[in-house]
Amino acid sequence: KQEVTQIPAALSVPEGENLVLNCSFTDSAIYNLQWFRQDPGKGLTSLLLIQSSQREQTSGRLNASLDKSSGRSTLYIAASQPGDSATYLCAVTQAGTALIFGKGTTLSVSS
Amino acid sequence: EAGVAQSPRYKIIEKRQSVAFWCNPISGHATLYWYQQILGQGPKLLIQFQNNGVVDDSQLPKDRFSAERLKGVDSTLKIQPAKLEDSAVYLCASSFGDAPNYGYTFGSGTRLTVV
Repeated sequence: KQEVTQIPAALSVPEGENLVLNCSFTDSAIYNLQWFRQDPGKGLTSLLLIQSSQREQTSGRLNASLDKSSGRSTLYIAASQPGDSATYLCAVTQAGTALIFGKGTTLSVSS
Repeated sequence: EAGVAQSPRYKIIEKRQSVAFWCNPISGHATLYWYQQILGQGPKLLIQFQNNGVVDDSQLPKDRFSAERLKGVDSTLKIQPAKLEDSAVYLCASSFGDAPNYGYTFGSGTRLTVV
């Protein structure tokens, strides 16, 4: 059974810092991996989707990498801003399954 | 395009009462998902529909939860009777198809508090 783990559970940084969020999964037979953002009281917004054949995806200040063989992904946020404060969720898809999520990392960026 | 609509946004009920949530997916999206997100946890799939048929309901507590998707469009999720541990955010999502490369669009969720 696939399990997705995210470390750390919470992170507080001052504005301007570069930071890394980690995601690991137990079964490397995935189709893709997605990073989502969740603001309090809101739904989930997709940030980046990495297909299993890809190594990384970039969008603005966000860069996500995927090492499928080791079961790891990282989300790199450059020059963090207070508006980046949110919970970041990692999720994978496999054959015959819907998205399987980790518990998330709650990020707080102080000005 | 309009997003995934959910209602109500918030609901407070007493244990043993019943409650229903409604979801209207994006037009043309054949696949609809209901997820449960308990505070501090990631979303957990309750049920997946493809059109009006159930694809996966293996994690749905069928003794108290039920869901339907009539005519392959709107869906309702019902809990009867509710327990304290059902307090959570219930998220609805839809996608064009059930292939893994199709993106999901999530609604804002319904926050349920059972007291």
